[in-house]
Amino acid sequence: RKEVEQDPGPFNVPEGATVAFNCTYSNSASQSFFWYRQDCRKEPKLLMSVYSSGNEDGRFTAQLNRASQYISLLIRDSKLSDSATYLCVVNPAGNQFYFGTGTSLTVIP
Amino acid sequence: DAGVTQSPTHLIKTRGQQVTLRCSPKSGHDTVSWYQQALGQGPQFIFQYYEEEERQRGNFPDRFSGHQFPNYSSELNVNALLLGDSALYLCASSPTGWTDTQYFGPGTRLTVL
Repeated sequence: RKEVEQDPGPFNVPEGATVAFNCTYSNSASQSFFWYRQDCRKEPKLLMSVYSSGNEDGRFTAQLNRASQYISLLIRDSKLSDSATYLCVVNPAGNQFYFGTGTSLTVIP
Repeated sequence: DAGVTQSPTHLIKTRGQQVTLRCSPKSGHDTVSWYQQALGQGPQFIFQYYEEEERQRGNFPDRFSGHQFPNYSSELNVNALLLGDSALYLCASSPTGWTDTQYFGPGTRLTVL
């Protein structure tokens, strides 16, 4: 079983829509969780960390459900500039980070 | 403040050759991690260097080796290249004690023919 699994995508949504991405992880001892954004042929960039209580940054909301080993990212009022691949990242412990395969989002005018 | 830099940006090699990729971490960062990202996949952890030693390693064969220098820069070496080694190789740096915080370089795109 993979350490991290994400929605297969791709997601094609109109501007202004709300879209949610999901991610599950296999190691129940995982300590840290993140969402990264990766634009085409660019490096991944940290979008936000995911905390147990859930956290929000503007139009972006991340949630963690430890019991179900599940992470989500919600994007409200989608913008054209949100088009990218979103990577779910889990750090079970120590220094090794596991990335999901990524979910592609295209926001359509 | 310069971010993470990597060189070269692109590289073409043939099977069986050896390659060295280089990474300079962000100023103030002393920990360097290397990742391999195949097309359509997420980055996969190769190894991490701290204090010039390999601290942790992912599921990669011994053909993949690395080094960290006293100035914290790092090299990734891959021997006996295979077609399947074609990928984007990403370097990420972290500050001491904050390994959750990773900043990625632009990557080196390696093509093996």
